[in-house]
Amino acid sequence: EIVLTQSPGTLSLSPGERATLSCRASQSVSSSYLAWYRQKPGQAPRLLIYDASSRATGIPDRFSGSGSGTDFTLTISRLEPEDFAVYYCQQYGSSPEYTFGQGTKLEIK
Amino acid sequence: EVQLVQSGAEVKKPGESLKISCKGSGYSFTSYWIGWVRQMPGKGLEWMGIIHPGDSNTRYSPSFQGQVTISADKSISTAYLQWSSLKASDTAMFYCARRTGATQPSFDYWGQGTLVTVSS
Repeated sequence: EIVLTQSPGTLSLSPGERATLSCRASQSVSSSYLAWYRQKPGQAPRLLIYDASSRATGIPDRFSGSGSGTDFTLTISRLEPEDFAVYYCQQYGSSPEYTFGQGTKLEIK
Repeated sequence: EVQLVQSGAEVKKPGESLKISCKGSGYSFTSYWIGWVRQMPGKGLEWMGIIHPGDSNTRYSPSFQGQVTISADKSISTAYLQWSSLKASDTAMFYCARRTGATQPSFDYWGQGTLVTVSS
């Protein structure tokens, strides 16, 4: 089983600042199979990034993804109020097919 | 517009059975896998399993194999998640989500979630 470890657990920043979230895999992950989601309180997750670096439909360009192998990063260039939420990375592999990281909470400083 | 609409919140007692639903619209329901994801109170996301409504091909996470049953009725564009005997530890929010595509395994559309509370 591939384990995804996200860091930091909580990130405290101010609107307008840049956020960098990390997702580290216990084994190499195909870049085609790494995604990022944002979950606002009381809402379902929303797909932000797929294929490690492709923005999903309707996602603004302040969101970018990068990385390969075991280290992946989600960057939010200029934080908007709606970006303060929990972020999850997800990989697709084998048994189990899907695993999620434990999440990073992005909170207002 | 693609939509996944889930059934409403449920309050059940331990030992009871339950079947929750996820109705897809705005796309070809039989062409996309539907996955189920659990989120226990205050916790992260856990993948439970996935079904292809076109042929009912189903796969489960080892953590949930034998604990739940995933099914689909393509005639009414609806996927299901069911329990035969609930436990208090099944209390959680459950989401259905559409797999983006055959070669793209992310989940691009999500239901609004169904909260299941199991308490005596």
